[in-house]
Amino acid sequence: AQSVAQPEDQVNVAEGNPLTVKCTYSVSGNPYLFWYVQYPNRGLQFLLKYITGDNLVKGSYGFEAEFNKSQTSFHLKKPSALVSDSALYFCAVRVPGGSQGNLIFGKGTKLSVKP
Amino acid sequence: EAQVTQNPRYLITVTGKKLTVTCSQNMNHEYMSWYRQDPGLGLRQIYYSMNVEVTDKGDVPEGYKVSRKEKRNFPLILESPSPNQTSLYFCASIRGTEAFFGQGTRLTVV
Repeated sequence: AQSVAQPEDQVNVAEGNPLTVKCTYSVSGNPYLFWYVQYPNRGLQFLLKYITGDNLVKGSYGFEAEFNKSQTSFHLKKPSALVSDSALYFCAVRVPGGSQGNLIFGKGTKLSVKP
Repeated sequence: EAQVTQNPRYLITVTGKKLTVTCSQNMNHEYMSWYRQDPGLGLRQIYYSMNVEVTDKGDVPEGYKVSRKEKRNFPLILESPSPNQTSLYFCASIRGTEAFFGQGTRLTVV
């Protein structure tokens, strides 16, 4: 079955430190990969995506993600965390050849950045 | 401004009382979708629509209905809500690799 795994329910980071939120996927073919962020009582906001090309993708708010095909991973990173980065983060993949909107989401990782 | 608008944002209802959550987009997208978000489960697709009058089941369609009579609107209908449908619901409007989500509807069924 096709799936997305976010192995950590929660990631705790001190402000100013680098952060990583992990994502691995299991789909056939070459998927499109996405990261979304959800702030409390808000909808999902797009952060970044990988479609093709350079494995390092830069997105909003200083976030970036690295696509690693051999490890089937798409980890989200930021060099220096801010308290305002605290939110729920979702990794998602779109299955190639499926309906265009068939986004498969991970379970989400809660990021907590402490001052 | 590109927008997906859901209403209501919050709803508390009783078991068995029919309800509709509306979703409207202003981007002329053909593809729209409904998701429910539950703790520890992420977002799961309920139904989707590839165009007017074209709808299909997602991963968790039981207990839900949808309609797509015009391109901009994609309402989610719960004919007889049950407590296990208490959840946070999101509507999405999608074109290519761009997905726009509504603000969410938090539904509680008692």
